[in-house]
Amino acid sequence: SAVISQKPSRDICQRGTSLTIQCQVDSQVTMMFWYRQQPGQSLTLIATANQGSEATYESGFVIDKFPISRPNLTFSTLTVSNMSPEDSSIYLCSVEPGQGAQKDTQYFGPGTRLTVL
Amino acid sequence: QKEVEQDPGPLSVPEGAIVSLNCTYSNSAFQYFMWYRQYSRKGPELLMYTYSSGNKEDGRFTAQVDKSSKYISLFIRDSQPSDSATYLCAMEDDKIIFGKGTRLHILP
Repeated sequence: SAVISQKPSRDICQRGTSLTIQCQVDSQVTMMFWYRQQPGQSLTLIATANQGSEATYESGFVIDKFPISRPNLTFSTLTVSNMSPEDSSIYLCSVEPGQGAQKDTQYFGPGTRLTVL
Repeated sequence: QKEVEQDPGPLSVPEGAIVSLNCTYSNSAFQYFMWYRQYSRKGPELLMYTYSSGNKEDGRFTAQVDKSSKYISLFIRDSQPSDSATYLCAMEDDKIIFGKGTRLHILP
């Protein structure tokens, strides 16, 4: 397993501004993921962030809107840019600690609750 | 048809009852099946993780996978008020697909 922390835990932001969410893991992991969880909806994968390569975005999500950094094996950031009220959601990072033949599943951080006014 | 279907509830049961939570899916390629528990204002917490068909038991929790019917279940025995949470099923082939979650209330 892995212990994951996120900052901030919550924020209220004005339309048009940007917010950077930080994700810290207590161990080195190759694969990190960013999800969005909107009320009444399932978790939606935004992008996969592997250290040493560009993030891979899912359909409907673009780098200009959600730039991601992955400077090392224990840390990642997700920026929500030029926010609108539709971006109000919970943003979660997750990691998959297993590597190679050791299959593992994903473990989640506590989430960042974002409200855009 | 959505890839993963899960009844959102809410499901209310008395303390001590057996709880049955279920999901159906359409993609026969799914190999890994998970159940997550999510308390209010918290991130999902992995409860059970199974590969392919069969049962897996961990304390009061039992996960069942029936790949022939594309149906998975989570049973909670001797349910407690602390089990009140949203339970998300998830399945994985090359990526994880989540259900919408079932809200469970255990009534003292």
